[in-house]
Amino acid sequence: DAKTTQPPSMDCAEGRAANLPCNHSTISGNEYVYWYRQIHSQGPQYIIHGLKNNETNEMASLIITEDRKSSTLILPHATLRDTAVYYCIVKGASYGKLTFGQGTILTVHP
Amino acid sequence: EPEVTQTPSHQVTQMGQEVILRCVPISNHLYFYWYRQILGQKVEFLVSFYNNEISEKSEIFDDQFSVERPDGSNFTLKIRSTKLEDSAMYFCASSDASEKLFFGSGTQLSVL
Repeated sequence: DAKTTQPPSMDCAEGRAANLPCNHSTISGNEYVYWYRQIHSQGPQYIIHGLKNNETNEMASLIITEDRKSSTLILPHATLRDTAVYYCIVKGASYGKLTFGQGTILTVHP
Repeated sequence: EPEVTQTPSHQVTQMGQEVILRCVPISNHLYFYWYRQILGQKVEFLVSFYNNEISEKSEIFDDQFSVERPDGSNFTLKIRSTKLEDSAMYFCASSDASEKLFFGSGTQLSVL
């Protein structure tokens, strides 16, 4: 699976959009980009995933660049409960095998 | 919302003892996984399980580890002879064919 690079930490004000970047310059054509988060040592929680098109669900939006070498997770209106470690994962053919990195610690402050 | 349930939430054991960690996956899921997270470190894949057999395992998942789906609802991880370095949070997960993994809250294993 391709390696990802994320900033170690980010801050965001409550109510504002949180934009979390991820670089995956070695991604190959059949690899998906997944985002999970982990709140305070709970189990990781699925957020969203995509291949090449932008995706949106009730939790977030995922913007993938045209060359697929980077992506951005957008939480449109961050709340204090969104404070967590956010993981960007590029996933290949191995079913269900996720390779977690260090992720980005997002702190949402009042 | 359906969830993955893990028991116990905390397990303390002596080095060399056997432990069994239990999980009840989401009922219509067919793919099951174990991950672990040593304190302060990354979440690591251990094993995936489908159709009553292991699909893939990591190098961490050596002969001391085994998994079983004994009764069609539970999914267990057994560590035969625990070592100090097995101390970690163990997460069970399940998925359907969509590959969106749903994780449980974890079992904190402490080996003394």
